[in-house]
Amino acid sequence: AQSVTQPDIHITVSEGASLELRCNYSYGATPYLFWYVQSPGQGLQLLLKYFSGDTLVQGIKGFEAEFKRSQSSFNLRKPSVHWSDAAEYFCAVGPPNQAGTALIFGKGTTLSVSS
Amino acid sequence: DAGVIQSPRHEVTEMGQEVTLRCKPISGHDYLFWYRQTMMRGLELLIYFNNNVPIDDSGMPEDRFSAKMPNASFSTLKIQPSEPRDSAVYFCATHSGKMYSPLHFGNGTRLTVT
Repeated sequence: AQSVTQPDIHITVSEGASLELRCNYSYGATPYLFWYVQSPGQGLQLLLKYFSGDTLVQGIKGFEAEFKRSQSSFNLRKPSVHWSDAAEYFCAVGPPNQAGTALIFGKGTTLSVSS
Repeated sequence: DAGVIQSPRHEVTEMGQEVTLRCKPISGHDYLFWYRQTMMRGLELLIYFNNNVPIDDSGMPEDRFSAKMPNASFSTLKIQPSEPRDSAVYFCATHSGKMYSPLHFGNGTRLTVT
């Protein structure tokens, strides 16, 4: 079955510290991969996406993610976290080469930033 | 571009009442998705449309839920009768159908059924 696992429900990091949020997926083929961020009371905003090519992708707000096929992972990273990064982060997968089809989302990781 | 517009932002209703959630997609987006978000189950796909036609409604929990897209600029999700376990945030999201384009989300409707 297709699924996305985000092992960490809640993470707290200090402002200025580095961040890594984990995402593992189960899929028949290499899917399209996404990270979304949700601020309180808001919808989800796309941070970055991977379709093919370079396995290290850059996104908005200084985030990056690395696709590792052997580990079925797509972890999100940021070198230095800012207080405004506190939010909920969702990893998602979608079928390759099929635009517009439904994404499968992980259950999310809540990031808290301490001063 | 105003983005995906959902209304109302908050809805509080009593068990047994009918609830209608509304969504206006981004102009030109051919795909429209309804998701439900809860603490326990995360984001679940309920149904999605392509060119106003329902493609997959396997996520609709039961017959109390129905969704329509009468035209390219409007969709509704209806719950009748509502139950307390329907309390959740309901998101509408749309997609242009172009390869490598992202999914755009509305700000959601927070539904509370008492």
